[in-house]
Amino acid sequence: DVKVTQSSRYLVKRTGEKVFLECVQDMDHENMFWYRQDPGLGLRLIYFSYDVKMKEKGDIPEGYSVSREKKERFSLILESASTNQTSMYLCASSLSTGGYTFGSGTRLTVV
Amino acid sequence: AQSVTQLDSQVPVFEEAPVELRCNYSSSVSVYLFWYVQYPNQGLQLLLKYLSGSTLVKGINGFEAEFNKSQTSFHLRKPSVHISDTAEFFCAVSIIQVAQKLVFGQGTRLTINP
Repeated sequence: DVKVTQSSRYLVKRTGEKVFLECVQDMDHENMFWYRQDPGLGLRLIYFSYDVKMKEKGDIPEGYSVSREKKERFSLILESASTNQTSMYLCASSLSTGGYTFGSGTRLTVV
Repeated sequence: AQSVTQLDSQVPVFEEAPVELRCNYSSSVSVYLFWYVQYPNQGLQLLLKYLSGSTLVKGINGFEAEFNKSQTSFHLRKPSVHISDTAEFFCAVSIIQVAQKLVFGQGTRLTINP
């Protein structure tokens, strides 16, 4: 089975800090994604990547950036964390036919 | 652009009762359809998917869904639920030309009462 591992399960950061969320997948999937999950809003796509060093904005990219230097690793960066970025962050990977494999999520609290 | 509407934010049912979770989508082109489940304190897990072929799709844990193109719906059903089915369920759609990009609905929280 494909495994998607997110480096932290819970994270507490201060306003203005630079925050790195790491995601690693072990099955050579070309596509990787970052979503945030908020009650009543479902999952909203922040950024995705379909190849190494390639990235595309999703629906809510403001305040975020990403990095994909290796195929298996996709990092989400909050340049200057704000309280409205408190959320559950989910990483996923997939092949081109769709059907994602998700990580367990990182619950980020910005204080 | 495509969109997904899950018509119920919460569905309470009694144990061993049947359940239907409703999902409608909007798209001007052909789509793939998915249902994901999120058990408490876990990530999302693929329940089932429709790519082509038979419109009745069977998934894990006794769930099934039916694709209805004329109604643009993909409702999820289970004939008899258990306490362990308590979870949040997400419907998702991707357009075939950009199959890797999913759009999710808002989620439906299924609560099973004993």
